[in-house]
Amino acid sequence: EPEVTQTPSHQVTQMGQEVILRCVPISNHLYFYWYRQILGQKVEFLVSFYNNEISEKSEIFDDQFSVERPDGSNFTLKIRSTKLEDSAMYFCASSEFRARDSPLHFGNGTRLTVT
Amino acid sequence: GESVGLHLPTLSVQEGDNSIINCAYSNSASDYFIWYKQESGKGPQFIIDIRSNMDKRQGQRVTVLLNKTVKHLSLQIAATQPGDSAVYFCAEILSHDMRFGAGTRLTVKP
Repeated sequence: EPEVTQTPSHQVTQMGQEVILRCVPISNHLYFYWYRQILGQKVEFLVSFYNNEISEKSEIFDDQFSVERPDGSNFTLKIRSTKLEDSAMYFCASSEFRARDSPLHFGNGTRLTVT
Repeated sequence: GESVGLHLPTLSVQEGDNSIINCAYSNSASDYFIWYKQESGKGPQFIIDIRSNMDKRQGQRVTVLLNKTVKHLSLQIAATQPGDSAVYFCAEILSHDMRFGAGTRLTVKP
């Protein structure tokens, strides 16, 4: 069964550094998402992306965050200047149709640790 | 065993028993709902979905019930197995994105 893949599985970075988290969505999917999960808490929506632009973003997704689909297969999340509170699991997801028409499929996440 | 969503974040059941996990959603305009299972170190995994024009949907060993009047969703797992141990999240979908509930940790005792 096709799956969403994320790299790296674990990223350690120093406060103030830039990080790029990478995702390869399922190949025929058109809608892409980033979520994050702080340890022991619920999964929180960050951003949705379709047709090379952001469809929706949450209050968490401030100017330090950006997303890009640099080619036909990758979908990236960049954090410009990491803060300690950015430490979390970051999940990429994709769906064939928009979220209200088809379920999201998630990758296994990237654990980001900011020291 | 039965949980009451946000107020009881853990549920422990005996192997072979049925489990009921509850969820209260927030937006009366949400029209699509999904249950996800998250095992340790993994991403959320789709279990079953239901649209607002239905009040019940059955899958393999799982049933989802939707009560729009009180904005309540439940997941029933029949004959719970050790492999069902995980955190279960309900999610509601409105327009472009999906929002998760707080989750319930299900522990299955052998």
